[in-house]
Amino acid sequence: EVQLLESGGGSLQPGGSLRLSCAASGFTFSNYAMSWVRQAPGKGLEWVSGISGSGRISFFADSVKGRFTISRDNIENTVYLQMNSLRAEDTAVYYCAKDHSYGSGSYGALDYWGRGTLVTVSS
Amino acid sequence: QSVLTQPPSASGTPGQRVTISCSGSSPNIGSNSVNWYQQVPGTAPKLLIYSNDQRPSGVPGRLSGSKSGTSASLAISGLQSEDEADYYCVAWDDNLNGPVFGGGTKLTVL
Repeated sequence: EVQLLESGGGSLQPGGSLRLSCAASGFTFSNYAMSWVRQAPGKGLEWVSGISGSGRISFFADSVKGRFTISRDNIENTVYLQMNSLRAEDTAVYYCAKDHSYGSGSYGALDYWGRGTLVTVSS
Repeated sequence: QSVLTQPPSASGTPGQRVTISCSGSSPNIGSNSVNWYQQVPGTAPKLLIYSNDQRPSGVPGRLSGSKSGTSASLAISGLQSEDEADYYCVAWDDNLNGPVFGGGTKLTVL
């Protein structure tokens, strides 16, 4: 059974940093791209970042480019989202999700999602 | 303002067929496939349709997707109360170099 478990969320002030983790199990982790998608309170979904199965290729939404980095550990089956220079508008539930496509990721077709972790940025 | 445009709301009565539209442009829907998600408030999204018209295992056949030009649609036939949720389309955008979501459509079963 595929499981994704996010952790690392919390409350912090603008300008701070936070690292989210997503522990994966139930599939061959290195064969699939992974993405982070967020949802601000009462708002829609926003794709944030994605990383290829090998970890060599990554993509970012313009709203986080230069502030967030994504990485993965294919031994520990974990994907990370390092968030720096956080702003109030980064407040959201952050979901980790597995790509549906084996091999090269689609980054838009995500077939398994975690329950999400809440990040609150406020002074 | 979302790159992909969806109607904010849709509704239907049990048993009816409803469609939800998703309008984009050349660098996204015009050049790439569309995926659809269902999200019940308070829960994680669920993949309903990928590659324009493909259903993951477990998604019932009364849900279908289509794409034409720079627009896509999700159709739900035999509407059921359990279909009441938010629905999102998403497609890769070649200019933004990442997937873009529609703003979401809240489906109400009357």
